[in-house]
Amino acid sequence: DTGVSQDPRHKITKRGQNVTFRCDPISEHNRLYWYRQTLGQGPEFLTYFQNEAQLEKSRLLSDRFSAERPKGSFSTLEIQRTEQGDSAMYLCASSRTINTEAFFGQGTRLTVV
Amino acid sequence: QKEVEQNSGPLSVPEGAIASLNCTYSDRVSQSFFWYRQYSGKSPELIMSIYSNGDKEDGRFTAQLNKASQYVSLLIRDSQPSDSATYLCAVNGQAGTALIFGKGTTLSVSS
Repeated sequence: DTGVSQDPRHKITKRGQNVTFRCDPISEHNRLYWYRQTLGQGPEFLTYFQNEAQLEKSRLLSDRFSAERPKGSFSTLEIQRTEQGDSAMYLCASSRTINTEAFFGQGTRLTVV
Repeated sequence: QKEVEQNSGPLSVPEGAIASLNCTYSDRVSQSFFWYRQYSGKSPELIMSIYSNGDKEDGRFTAQLNKASQYVSLLIRDSQPSDSATYLCAVNGQAGTALIFGKGTTLSVSS
C-alpha cells in the first residue's frame, strides 16, 4: 500500500484568496479525516467522511471551510476568503473502517500573508 | 464536547530510563485508543493502538488502558535521544464519532 498523499505540501496565499487542498487516502480505506494543527497544539478535528458521506463537522469549523469526497476516493478541503488565522498545517488521515488505526499524510502547510 | 487531556510537559528523562506518558478522556463509551509520535515539523506517526483493558507491549513501548478510570498511558523503556518528540494520545468513541486528539506531551531524552 502507498501511504496517504497530500497535495500541495506548502501553500502561500494572500488574505482573501481561496485555496483547495487534496488528500488521497490509502487504497480501500473507508474513513478519511481532516485536521488542522498549529504550533504547540494537537491536531484539531475538522471533519470526517465514511466513504462519500460527510458524517461530522466540527462546531468550530467556519462556513468558509468546505470538504468533499466524491465517489468515496480522494477528498478536497477548500477554504474561501482566507484569513491570517487560517495559517496552519492541514493534515489528512485515513483508516480502514470504524475504530481502526488511522494513518496520516505529510500535511499541507498553509501560510496566509 | 468530548475531550482528551494530556500533560503538555516537557517531560525530561535521561537516556536509558523509562518515560511514562499519561492521557485521560471524557467519553465513557470510547472504544479505541492510539498513541502517535510527532517530530517537529512532521506529521503524526502511529506507534501503538489498544482496544481492551490491560497492557499491550510492542518492543520498547507498552500501552496501558483502564476504561473504568478513563485512563490510557504509554511507557517507553530504555529511552533513547531519538525518542525525543511530542506524543499524542487519540481516542475514538462509539460508532459514528470522530478520532479526537489531545494536545500532546513533549518528551526530551538527554544523553
